Amino acid sequence: EAGVAQSPRYKIIEKRQSVAFWCNPISGHATLYWYQQILGQGPKLLIQFQNNGVVDDSQLPKDRFSAERLKGVDSTLKIQPAKLEDSAVYLCASSILYSQKISGNTIYFGEGSWLTVV
Amino acid sequence: GENVEQHPSTLSVQEGDSAVIKCTYSDSASNYFPWYKQELGKGPQLIIDIRSNVGEKKDQRIAVTLNKTAKHFSLHITETQPEDSAVYFCAASSPRDDKIIFGKGTRLHILP
Repeated sequence: EAGVAQSPRYKIIEKRQSVAFWCNPISGHATLYWYQQILGQGPKLLIQFQNNGVVDDSQLPKDRFSAERLKGVDSTLKIQPAKLEDSAVYLCASSILYSQKISGNTIYFGEGSWLTVV
Repeated sequence: GENVEQHPSTLSVQEGDSAVIKCTYSDSASNYFPWYKQELGKGPQLIIDIRSNVGEKKDQRIAVTLNKTAKHFSLHITETQPEDSAVYFCAASSPRDDKIIFGKGTRLHILP
């Protein structure tokens, strides 16, 4: 079974430039997550989709970050304009269901997109 | 909201010895506690999880214990092997907001 696919794996941009990351979740997974992982810290949820609808985007800096999942499958996370503090790994993840209250609803992570803003 | 503290930040153990990583959580309503392993250049991978209706769960060399009264839970790895070297994250989830909150991670080094 194919895992969560992300691209690009690595990106270096200058501050104030824009960048976009793409994610293809595991086939059949209705829930898709974008996490930000700053070096030395645990992943922090940015946005969660259930099919093509947003479940939670309370931690997404909406003045510069945007995300979409138009057809309920692939997703794109965009940062514009980037700041130095956006340097991090952006992890996409997916699960069959949206709730952690349901046993066995494992979240599967992709390998991440490493962003360096200079 | 939930806050998860994890200790130690770095742990070195001799191959074959045991490793223990400890976490505390703040929200007494939290009832789901997964542990993730992250190898260099990879995303986190679930290795074991426990729900609050049990106090301990074991899977081969890995075990997790939960103390709801003290609001802490621990990961135990026995007979450590070189491939256990990685960063381990504990996490907690409360039904109040249904989010998974991660600790800051423990970098585990297995020494030959």
